[in-house]
Amino acid sequence: DTEVTQTPKHLVMGMTNKKSLKCEQHMGHRAMYWYKQKAKKPPELMFVYSYEKLSINESVPSRFSPECPNSSLLNLHLHALQPEDSALYLCASSPLTSGRPNEQFFGPGTRLTVL
Amino acid sequence: GESVGLHLPTLSVQEGDNSIINCAYSNSASDYFIWYKQESGKGPQFIIDIRSNMDKRQGQRVTVLLNKTVKHLSLQIAATQPGDSAVYFCAEKGRSNFGNEKLTFGTGTRLTIIP
Repeated sequence: DTEVTQTPKHLVMGMTNKKSLKCEQHMGHRAMYWYKQKAKKPPELMFVYSYEKLSINESVPSRFSPECPNSSLLNLHLHALQPEDSALYLCASSPLTSGRPNEQFFGPGTRLTVL
Repeated sequence: GESVGLHLPTLSVQEGDNSIINCAYSNSASDYFIWYKQESGKGPQFIIDIRSNMDKRQGQRVTVLLNKTVKHLSLQIAATQPGDSAVYFCAEKGRSNFGNEKLTFGTGTRLTIIP
């Protein structure tokens, strides 16, 4: 298995809803990432988990709450989002091989719309 | 601060011709660069990478050139095909404020192959 999967593919939620995005990989990668991508813009890093521990939080608002239950799964819990949070949310993973750069593999993304 | 930018936001190329996509970067300490291809509705897909100790790297129909003197990166695609139509991002591997590795993406170039 050489892919990153994300569910759901599309999500529409109201500003008072609580929802979760899920990401899974079975490549044995020990780093996992959440990115946010607005239309016609590049992906912007939100969070990085290394060995299931949060290693980077790019000053993301607390209404986004990441969770890494194990080395294969990454969740993004959403609560009280704003319409401007509507975007494509991408998950990625990479090995943590020391001594060389590590390629990131991206999932197809979850298209989120906040009403 | 560091930034990764592209010279042209859109590029149209006749099918069968070669295309060149350019990227400028500002962080002279960056030691690893990647080109990603993103098709509509999909996540970014790795194309080719290059380390800063190299000037050129070739893949299948693609070549990446790195000019560290002027901090310029380019992606050459030979004999373009309709399937090459996508947005292409260059990305630079740098360090977050916490010292962890992170990817910073350029603004992207939309390549359209004209049949």
